[in-house]
Amino acid sequence: QVQLQESGPGLVKPSETLSLTCTVSGGSISSYYWSWIRQPPGKGLEWIGYIYYSGSTNYNPSLKSRVTISVDTSKNQFSLKLSSVTAADTAVYYCARGVFDPYCSGGSCYYYYGMDVWGQGTTVTVSS
Amino acid sequence: QSVLTQPPSVSAAPGQKVTISCSGSSSNIGNNYVSWYQQLPGTAPKLLIYENDKRPSGIPDRFSGSKSGTSATLGITGLQTGDEADYYCGTWDTSLSAGVFGGGTKLTVL
Repeated sequence: QVQLQESGPGLVKPSETLSLTCTVSGGSISSYYWSWIRQPPGKGLEWIGYIYYSGSTNYNPSLKSRVTISVDTSKNQFSLKLSSVTAADTAVYYCARGVFDPYCSGGSCYYYYGMDVWGQGTTVTVSS
Repeated sequence: QSVLTQPPSVSAAPGQKVTISCSGSSSNIGNNYVSWYQQLPGTAPKLLIYENDKRPSGIPDRFSGSKSGTSATLGITGLQTGDEADYYCGTWDTSLSAGVFGGGTKLTVL
């Protein structure tokens, strides 16, 4: 059974870079779209982005200029870096296994993207 | 504000049925598949419904999903106190080329 575990500093200073790692156990990181999602205190879910095991990425347009997601297949890990953080980046950060399937017919494509396995989440506070 | 619109809260009595709506547009729900997630207090979200109406292994058939046009609906029958949670819809937005979620709906079982 695949399990995901986030790790990284729980406190980051404003203007610095938030760095988190997600370790995948019980299965291979090959295939799937490894995703990051965050949840500010008392608020809803916000999609940050994903990386395919081959290295291709896709990011939330509102965060794109500050986000980098990378993968280390040899360690079965993927990572998140968010630069120039402010208090608005304080949140619980989740890593998740994503499934992304296109269904194409007659020149049109419909997409399924969902997260079927989630880590327990890690709280990151941005404060001096 | 979220790309997908959900009611902030719904409530019903134990044993009853409740539905939670999720409204979007042609660039997301209208042309892509929807997922639903359950987030129990203090825990990570859990996949409840995928591809509009499919249930992962282990999810009871009290939970159902449907989609019509640019809206999706989660249905829960035989409500239990253990169903009290926040529920989120999610999908892919083709115009944004991004994953999107609804703002979440808090279910109270009275």
